[in-house]
Amino acid sequence: KQEVTQIPAALSVPEGENLVLNCSFTDSAIYNLQWFRQDPGKGLTSLLLIQSSQREQTSGRLNASLDKSSGRSTLYIAASQPGDSATYLCAVIGGTSYGKLTFGQGTILTVHP
Amino acid sequence: GAGVSQSPRYKVTKRGQDVALRCDPISGHVSLYWYRQALGQGPEFLTYFNYEAQQDKSGLPNDRFSAERPEGSISTLTIQRTEQRDSAMYRCASSLMGGMFNSPLHFGNGTRLTVT
Repeated sequence: KQEVTQIPAALSVPEGENLVLNCSFTDSAIYNLQWFRQDPGKGLTSLLLIQSSQREQTSGRLNASLDKSSGRSTLYIAASQPGDSATYLCAVIGGTSYGKLTFGQGTILTVHP
Repeated sequence: GAGVSQSPRYKVTKRGQDVALRCDPISGHVSLYWYRQALGQGPEFLTYFNYEAQQDKSGLPNDRFSAERPEGSISTLTIQRTEQRDSAMYRCASSLMGGMFNSPLHFGNGTRLTVT
């Protein structure tokens, strides 16, 4: 059974800092890994999707890496802003159920001015 | 363009009543997913469809839970004889193709179900 763990559970940083969020998964047989952002009272927003054959994806100030063999992914946020404050979730899809995303519990990020 | 729409936004029901939660996916999206999210946790898979076919229902907790997508578009998640432990945020998502085709999931804002 796939298990996804995110560290740290919460993170508070001053504006302008670069930061890294970590995600690990137990079964390396994945199709892809996705990072989502969740704001209170709203749905999840897909940030980046890394295919199993890829090592990283970039979108603006965000960079996600994937090391499938070791079961790890990191989300790097450059020059953090207060608007980045949210819960960040990683999720993997794989195995025999192509629609089943397994999520981590999330990292709550607070960027203070 | 319109995103994934879920209704109602909030539902309060008494224990033992049946509830139906509706999801209207992004137009043209083949795959539709249902997840349940407890406070402080990541979403937990319930079931998913490709077109009108239910591909995987392994996440449905018990036989009180069912889902359908009869015309391959709108989907309904039904919970019969609700119990307090069913209280949670129920989230629907859709994607252009199935997950193995590397299509990102687009989530709705969810339905907050409270069983009293």
